[in-house]
Amino acid sequence: KAGVTQTPRYLIKTRGQQVTLSCSPISGHRSVSWYQQTPGQGLQFLFEYFSETQRNKGNFPGRFSGRQFSNSRSEMNVSTLELGDSALYLCASSSMTGNTGELFFGEGSRLTVL
Amino acid sequence: GEDVEQSLFLSVREGDSSVINCTYTDSSSTYLYWYKQEPGAGLQLLTYIFSNMDMKQDQRLTVLLNKKDKHLSLRIADTQTGDSAIYFCAAPSGGYNKLIFGAGTRLAVHP
Repeated sequence: KAGVTQTPRYLIKTRGQQVTLSCSPISGHRSVSWYQQTPGQGLQFLFEYFSETQRNKGNFPGRFSGRQFSNSRSEMNVSTLELGDSALYLCASSSMTGNTGELFFGEGSRLTVL
Repeated sequence: GEDVEQSLFLSVREGDSSVINCTYTDSSSTYLYWYKQEPGAGLQLLTYIFSNMDMKQDQRLTVLLNKKDKHLSLRIADTQTGDSAIYFCAAPSGGYNKLIFGAGTRLAVHP
């Protein structure tokens, strides 16, 4: 079974630009979560989607948004990029509909903002 | 809200046991998790323990949970160089796959 696939793996943007990251979950998984990982703040929850609905959201500004498609693939978008948005963005999928936290992570998209 | 803390570094000799410790604040956590991150990779779920258990063993891994002290530990027996990685303790907070992660313990295994 293929794992969680994130694209692109690496990207470089400049301040003020926007970026879209993509995540394809494990086949059959309907929940997709996004996390930001930075050296200073560690791993922080961004949001979670299930059946195209955002069920949970972390404490990030409105510049961070996401969506999920009917095939469970998900995208996240960051607008008006700031230097502090440089991070590894991790997507995770889950087959559970409840709150067990058994997540399967992709390898991440590493964003560098110059 | 939930807070999870863990020590940042641990160095062990190959073949010895490693013990990684974690404390959490929310006593209502139903499950507690250990994830592993190797360089350049995402996180991999190692094991988890349900809150009504004190111990869980899975091959070389042993998880101990002390609910009174809100303390969780991960013991890796016969530690190998391939175990070198960052280990994260995590607890659910606020529902729907929202996990609060500790800062991660970097395990270095030397010959």
